[in-house]
Amino acid sequence: DIVMTQSPDSLAVSLGERATINCKSSQSVLYTTDNKSYLAWYQQKPGQPPKLLIYWASTRESGVPDRFSGSGSGTDFTLTISNLQAEDVAVYYCQQYYSTPPMYTFGQGTKLEIK
Amino acid sequence: EVQLVESGGGLIQPGGSLRLSCATSGFAVSSNYMSWVRQAPGKGLEWVSVLFGGGGRFYADSVKGRFTISRDNSKNTLYLQMNSLRVEDTAVYYCTRGITGVHFDNWGQGTLVAVSS
Repeated sequence: DIVMTQSPDSLAVSLGERATINCKSSQSVLYTTDNKSYLAWYQQKPGQPPKLLIYWASTRESGVPDRFSGSGSGTDFTLTISNLQAEDVAVYYCQQYYSTPPMYTFGQGTKLEIK
Repeated sequence: EVQLVESGGGLIQPGGSLRLSCATSGFAVSSNYMSWVRQAPGKGLEWVSVLFGGGGRFYADSVKGRFTISRDNSKNTLYLQMNSLRVEDTAVYYCTRGITGVHFDNWGQGTLVAVSS
C-alpha cells in the first residue's frame, strides 16, 4: 500500500508570513500516461468537511486564493501558503490516487495555527 | 449548484447494520465518481469506497466484504450499506463527488456513525 507522510504534524506561523507543508509518498504518484501527478491538497476547518484546494499537485481549484500554491513531482510535494491570514487556521491533508486497483490514501494531516 | 446531503447515521451496536444515503443535486451521480470517506473522532481522513460512473466498485481493505456502495440514478442518490459493524467503524462519513476520479471535488457535511454497546 502507498503511504503518505506529511511534515510537520503541526506548525505555528505569524500572520502575513509563509507556511510550508510537505507530503512524501512511498512511491511515485506521477502517471506517465498523462504526465500528471495524482496528488491533491485539502483544507479542513473545525466542524467543517474538507475542501479541495489543489489538484494535479499544482492546479488551484476555482475560487481558492492565489496565496495557496502546490509544487513537487514524483514522491515529494509541498503546499505553500503565502501571506498567512487568520482564516487559514485549519488542518491540511494531502491525498494520492492509485489506479490498480483504485485506491485513495491521505496523509495524516498537518495542523496550522497562528503564532 | 452542487449539493450532497448525507443521512442515515446513528448509534448502532457492534455486529449491526446501517444504510447511509447521500442525496445529491446539481449533477448526475451516474456520470461521476462517487466515494465515501470517513473520519474517526479527532483523527484523519480515510477513504472507504468508490463507485465509478461505469459501475465499477472498489473498497478499502478495512471494509471489504462488509460494506456495499450503490446508487439509484432515478433518485440521484448514493448509498453505503454497512454490515457487521465494528467499534472501529465509528466515524463521520462523508459523501464525495469526483469529476475525474482522482481527487474529491465536492463533499457533503457528513453523517456520524457511532458503533458502541
